[in-house]
Amino acid sequence: KAGVTQTPRYLIKTRGQQVTLSCSPISGHRSVSWYQQTPGQGLQFLFEYFSETQRNKGNFPGRFSGRQFSNSRSEMNVSTLELGDSALYLCASSTTGVSTDTQYFGPGTRLTVL
Amino acid sequence: DQQVKQNSPSLSVQEGRISILNCDYTNSMFDYFLWYKKYPAEGPTFLISISSIKDKNEDGRFTVFLNKSAKHLSLHIVPSQPGDSAVYFCAASGGTGANSKLTFGKGITLSVRP
Repeated sequence: KAGVTQTPRYLIKTRGQQVTLSCSPISGHRSVSWYQQTPGQGLQFLFEYFSETQRNKGNFPGRFSGRQFSNSRSEMNVSTLELGDSALYLCASSTTGVSTDTQYFGPGTRLTVL
Repeated sequence: DQQVKQNSPSLSVQEGRISILNCDYTNSMFDYFLWYKKYPAEGPTFLISISSIKDKNEDGRFTVFLNKSAKHLSLHIVPSQPGDSAVYFCAASGGTGANSKLTFGKGITLSVRP
């Protein structure tokens, strides 16, 4: 079974631009969560989607948004990029997204904002 | 406030010896705990988990211990191998809604010396 895939793997943007990241979950997984990893803060939860609906949201500004399609693929969008948005963005999928459901991570998208 | 704490940023161990990685949590709603391993340029890989109804779970060289009264868990790796050198994240989840998401510690960098 193929793992979680994320595209692109690397991105360089400038301040003020917007960016869209994509995540394809493991086949059969309906829950997709997004995380931001920075050296200072570790992994921080952005949001979770299940059956095309945002089910949980972390403490990030409204510039960070996402969506999920009927095939469970998910996209994350960041508008008006800031230097502090430079990070590794990880998505994880699980079968149902309940707390005891193991999440499997993709390799991440490294975003650099100049 | 940090609900999952990995207070030691790094650990160095001789090959063949035991590695003990510690993690503390503050949220009493957490009832499921996981350890992930992360190599550079890759996403976190699920290692082992434990439910709050247990105090020990073992998988090959990896054992996780949970002390609910102390809100403490630890990962034991015996024997340690150079390939175990990576960043290890402790994560916790529990309850419903926002609490069902994974909350991560900041990670411990384990170096296993040959």
